[in-house]
Amino acid sequence: EDKVVQSPLSLVVHEGDTVTLNCSYEVTNFRSLLWYKQEKKAPTFLFMLTSSGIEKKSGRLSSILDKKELSSILNITATQTGDSAIYLCAVTRNSGGSNYKLTFGKGTLLTVNP
Amino acid sequence: NAGVTQTPKFRILKIGQSMTLQCAQDMNHNYMYWYRQDPGMGLKLIYYSVGAGITDKGEVPNGYNVSRSTTEDFPLRLELAAPSQTSVYFCASSYSTGRETQYFGPGTRLLVL
Repeated sequence: EDKVVQSPLSLVVHEGDTVTLNCSYEVTNFRSLLWYKQEKKAPTFLFMLTSSGIEKKSGRLSSILDKKELSSILNITATQTGDSAIYLCAVTRNSGGSNYKLTFGKGTLLTVNP
Repeated sequence: NAGVTQTPKFRILKIGQSMTLQCAQDMNHNYMYWYRQDPGMGLKLIYYSVGAGITDKGEVPNGYNVSRSTTEDFPLRLELAAPSQTSVYFCASSYSTGRETQYFGPGTRLLVL
């Protein structure tokens, strides 16, 4: 069974701090790792990392995949209160036509205080 | 585009009652999914569909049923509600290519008492 473990489960920082969120995985025939941000309601897509694209950046957010360590980090620099959310990590596997099945971790709850 | 829409937003059910959670998308996505999210837990896949008329079980299908008669709609049916089904339910959809990038609806919060 595929497994995704995120740490820490929760984190409280002050505006302007830099944070690093961790995601480790165990999956047979790994295909991709995804990061989602979940505010009040629906998760929204942030990044997808694969063996051919191990680093992604968008503004203050960046993510790296470490295929050797079977893990990924999500960095957020100069945090703002609007970054407060649950950050979800998910993985997919190469499995015939089933590579769309996401296995999620429990998420990291980030709170950014002014 | 409205994206993925879900109704109702919130519902209280009594044990043993039935209900249908509605989900619709206007992005012409072939793939649709139902997840549930319990407090402090990640999302668990209940059912998914790769196209109209085709559905399959996910990780936690017991107590639920789905149908997919059109590309746009993917309702989730709870036949005999149980307290264990108290959760937040998310519907999602994706293209057949780049299918890992799933677009989620706003969720339905269900309380079974």
